[in-house]
Amino acid sequence: AAGVIQSPRHLIKEKRETATLKCYPIPRHDTVYWYQQGPGQDPQFLISFYEKMQSDKGSIPDRFSAQQFSDYHSELNMSSLELGDSALYFCASSLGAIDLPAYGYTFGSGTRLTVV
Amino acid sequence: GQNIDQPTEMTATEGAIVQINCTYQTSGFNGLFWYQQHAGEAPTFLSYNVLDGLEEKGRFSSFLSRSKGYSYLLLKELQMKDSASYLCAVRDQNGGKLIFGQGTELSVKP
Repeated sequence: AAGVIQSPRHLIKEKRETATLKCYPIPRHDTVYWYQQGPGQDPQFLISFYEKMQSDKGSIPDRFSAQQFSDYHSELNMSSLELGDSALYFCASSLGAIDLPAYGYTFGSGTRLTVV
Repeated sequence: GQNIDQPTEMTATEGAIVQINCTYQTSGFNGLFWYQQHAGEAPTFLSYNVLDGLEEKGRFSSFLSRSKGYSYLLLKELQMKDSASYLCAVRDQNGGKLIFGQGTELSVKP
C-alpha cells in the first residue's frame, strides 16, 4: 500500500541558508500534519493543512512557512536556518481533520535536516 | 494546557510482560494513540483508544480511562526487537493534531 512519501531523506545546510521539505500524502488523504523532532525529544506539532487551507498552527517559527497544493502534497519552507533547526521533520496524513476513523495517522519516513 | 507524562525509561526481560503508563491532562480530547519509534525512524502506529476500556491487538493491548486521564500500553511475550521508544499521544479535538508525551525508552534484555 502507498505510504506517506517525504523528500529528501537527508539534507545538510549551512546557517542562514534555506531548505524546502516535501510531503506527499497517502492517495485521497486531504489532511497533512508537520512535526519536528529534535534529538532525544518527542515530536512537536508545527502546522497542518486541510483541503489546502491551514487548519492549525503549533510551535512553528516565523522563519518557516508551509502550504498545501492542489494535489494535496505539502511543502515546508525554512529560511535563515539556525543550528537549532537540526532535527527530524515528519509529515503525517489523514482523511479528514476532525472525524477520523479509528486508526492512527500514517507518518512518512521523515527528513533529517542537519544545519552546520 | 497540555501535559502528557510517561516514564522516561523501562527495562524488561525477553518473554516477559511490560506495562507502560501514560497520564494526561489536556484541554480537549479526541482519542489516545500509542506509537513505537526506533531511533532515527518514523513513529509506527500501535493502537488507538477513544472509549474507556481495553483494545487488544496481538501482543499489544492498550487501556484507556478518560475519567482518570490514564492509559497504558501492555506488551506481552517481549522480543528483543521490541526495544524502542514508545510514545503516548493525545489527539486534539480542534484540528486533530497529536500532542506527544516525551516517550518511554524500553530496553528488552535477554
